[in-house]
Amino acid sequence: GNSVTQMEGPVTLSEEAFLTINCTYTATGYPSLFWYVQYPGEGLQLLLKATKADDKGSNKGFEATYRKETTSFHLEKGSVQVSDSAVYFCALNTGNQFYFGTGTSLTVIP
Amino acid sequence: SQTIHQWPATLVQPVGSPLSLECTVEGTSNPNLYWYRQAAGRGLQLLFYSVGIGQISSEVPQNLSASRPQDRQFILSSKKLLLSDSGFYLCAWGDPHKTYEQYFGPGTRLTVT
Repeated sequence: GNSVTQMEGPVTLSEEAFLTINCTYTATGYPSLFWYVQYPGEGLQLLLKATKADDKGSNKGFEATYRKETTSFHLEKGSVQVSDSAVYFCALNTGNQFYFGTGTSLTVIP
Repeated sequence: SQTIHQWPATLVQPVGSPLSLECTVEGTSNPNLYWYRQAAGRGLQLLFYSVGIGQISSEVPQNLSASRPQDRQFILSSKKLLLSDSGFYLCAWGDPHKTYEQYFGPGTRLTVT
């Protein structure tokens, strides 16, 4: 079956620290991979995506590379800001359905 | 451009009362529509999805139901709410020709007391 596993949170970092949030997946076929971000009290927003192996998605300083050999899609940012505090969801899509990880809460302190 | 609306934004209902949450999409035709629930401190659980009017697929058996009376309208209902129905309900739409993206509404916070 299809599933997504994310590193457990919460994660607390100081401003300008390096961020990595791990995500691995299990899927039949060739999924597209996503990171969504949810700010407090809001819905989810698409942060970045990759639709095939070795693609790198990037947006707002965040990056993730689709690694088929390790079935991973880790989220990274070189220097986090307080405004990056949110919950981050890794997800995969194999057609009409999405499968989401449980989310990783990130808090960035000044 | 496309927009997605959900209402109400917040709702407090007693156990055993009925529920109706509404989601509408503007600016697109024949979207795929989805209902998710996010329980406190947990991830997203897909409840229902629809690829067309009157076509509903249920992912999790429970006391909730969904309907799609119009192309861009998706309704989540319950006849009798349970305490465990509390959570954050998110509606999403996707372009069936670009199935690799979903766009989420602002959500409805439901508290069952």
